Amino acid sequence: QLMLTQSPSASASLGASVKLTCTLSSGHSSYAIAWHQQQPEKGPRYLMKLNSDGSHSKGDGIPDRFSGSSSGAERYLTISSLQSEDEADYYCQTWGTGIRVFGGGTKLTVL
Amino acid sequence: EVHLLESGGGLVQPGGSLRLSCAASGFTFSSYAMSWVRQAPVKGLEWVSTISGSGDSTYYADSVKGRFTISRDNSKNTLSLQMNSLRAEDTAVYYCAKEYPPDRGGWFDPWGQGTLVTVSS
Repeated sequence: QLMLTQSPSASASLGASVKLTCTLSSGHSSYAIAWHQQQPEKGPRYLMKLNSDGSHSKGDGIPDRFSGSSSGAERYLTISSLQSEDEADYYCQTWGTGIRVFGGGTKLTVL
Repeated sequence: EVHLLESGGGLVQPGGSLRLSCAASGFTFSSYAMSWVRQAPVKGLEWVSTISGSGDSTYYADSVKGRFTISRDNSKNTLSLQMNSLRAEDTAVYYCAKEYPPDRGGWFDPWGQGTLVTVSS
């Protein structure tokens, strides 16, 4: 069954970097995913599509501070030079024929 | 610029029905699959349904299959979600989302601002 697993929470200091992880279920390690950001009281925003080889394509206006990488079944979102507005929920999402799947989301706190 | 504007949310009693709409602009509507995604209070995102660009193919999450119907009117650039036999657990903000890439879809970009559906007596 196609599933995504994320840690519920993460934290990092202002100006530092943080790496969020999304893990694909067994047998699905070749799948691409997308990362979405949801700031408090706002709708989600697409950040990037991330392939299994680590190549990624970002959405319009997404700062260079956001980058993606992959290793096996793990997909990562790295945010560098953390700013207060990066405090948000981050969701990974994948897809197959007739199905779309979200991870449970990671709540990022900027200290 | 792509714009997605949902409407139709509100308060409905358990067992009742509601129809959501999403008005799209800024892109060739018929070329893209469209989806509904919901978010219950203080919960994560949950995919609800997807429809192909032509409208020929529709897909549903198990939690709504048989109760919800997704449709589109490509002449009016409008996406709809007919929700029947509503339950308390259907209470959520419902987002309309355009899928990318064209034709086959996959990820959501962009999203609408959402419309709140509350199922309560």
